[in-house]
Amino acid sequence: EAGVAQSPRYKIIEKRQSVAFWCNPISGHATLYWYQQILGQGPKLLIQFQNNGVVDDSQLPKDRFSAERLKGVDSTLKIQPAKLEDSAVYLCASSIGEVSGANVLTFGAGSRLTVL
Amino acid sequence: AQSVAQPEDQVNVAEGNPLTVKCTYSVSGNPYLFWYVQYPNRGLQFLLKYITGDNLVKGSYGFEAEFNKSQTSFHLKKPSALVSDSALYFCAVRGLNSGGYQKVTFGTGTKLQVIP
Repeated sequence: EAGVAQSPRYKIIEKRQSVAFWCNPISGHATLYWYQQILGQGPKLLIQFQNNGVVDDSQLPKDRFSAERLKGVDSTLKIQPAKLEDSAVYLCASSIGEVSGANVLTFGAGSRLTVL
Repeated sequence: AQSVAQPEDQVNVAEGNPLTVKCTYSVSGNPYLFWYVQYPNRGLQFLLKYITGDNLVKGSYGFEAEFNKSQTSFHLKKPSALVSDSALYFCAVRGLNSGGYQKVTFGTGTKLQVIP
């Protein structure tokens, strides 16, 4: 099966500019996750979708970050305006989405953001 | 709140020797535990998971993990290390968010260096 697709792989922007990342999960996966991975740290969950609804955005800096998954398939994560501390790899993952299960996450290769 | 601790930033082991990467966790309810591996410029890949049953779980590439409920640990092991095992390893725990949906929290990662 095809994996989780992410684009762009790399992006360099100036602070206060905006950026958008796109993710296409594995077909049929109901749950989609966006994680932020800062160098030297573990992935931190930013937002989690179940189909096209948000089920967890408790750690999303909502003053600058937004995400959508309008048709319950692909998703876009946007940052506006970017800060230096947003430099990180943004990982998209998907899972089957059985609410009661221990679902394995399948990750994309990530989008590396550098804010200058 | 759920959490994962990986006490070692880096583990060095000689090729052919056994390896152990340590992980302890904290979560409400039954623990569902995972190990993922990350190679340079790649997303995380699933290695193995513990849900219930035998405390020794076998996974991909000859890895296994030992679940210890009394010590709240889930250490990753391999009897004989290969140079190709050199990578970043993440332990993760699955809990539930306030809405009852799966929430996966990752540790900070341990860099495994296998020396030829």
